[in-house]
Amino acid sequence: EAQVTQNPRYLITVTGKKLTVTCSQNMNHEYMSWYRQDPGLGLRQIYYSMNVEVTDKGDVPEGYKVSRKEKRNFPLILESPSPNQTSLYFCASSFQLVGGLNTEAFFGQGTRLTVV
Amino acid sequence: AQKITQTQPGMFVQEKEAVTLDCTYDTSDPSYGLFWYKQPSSGEMIFLIYQGSYDQQNATEGRYSLNFQKARKSANLVISASQLGDSAMYFCAMRVAGNSGYALNFGKGTSLLVTP
Repeated sequence: EAQVTQNPRYLITVTGKKLTVTCSQNMNHEYMSWYRQDPGLGLRQIYYSMNVEVTDKGDVPEGYKVSRKEKRNFPLILESPSPNQTSLYFCASSFQLVGGLNTEAFFGQGTRLTVV
Repeated sequence: AQKITQTQPGMFVQEKEAVTLDCTYDTSDPSYGLFWYKQPSSGEMIFLIYQGSYDQQNATEGRYSLNFQKARKSANLVISASQLGDSAMYFCAMRVAGNSGYALNFGKGTSLLVTP
């Protein structure tokens, strides 16, 4: 089954304790990205990756890191989480965007992160 | 700037009836794609349907169809024969060729409740 898998689904952590949210896709997609969803603010892009070893900042990258060492994996790293990073996080993937468009944009199940 | 507007915060529909969820968009780029997603209370983001700006015909996927009116910049989602399981938040999103990061711009969503 074609899917984007995020882990964990739920996470409660303390301020300053490094954490990683994993994301893996089995569709051989080149493009992957991370979003966060907050009430009243909607979904905002954190980071994206056009292909292996190619990553760039989205709209709200502060406090986050990513890596893309393999095509299928795109982990989101919070080096020193803070309470304002409490949010619902989504990983998404697409085939290589030709001219910026694509007919698919699949999301993972989401990760609910609470930082206390 | 690109913008997605969903003017209906909440909608009710009776089971087996059809319902239309409104979406208008604003972009000056001639190349763009429009997406609809369903987000049930469990939180995952489920891809429903896609329409490209150069597509001549309206997209359809099972009970979902997209009423694309390019001149009016609207991309309304039509759900036919509503089911109780259709109760969820629905998001309209746009990806523009010129967008930095090829980010999906989301509307604020419409909450749909299907009643027996």
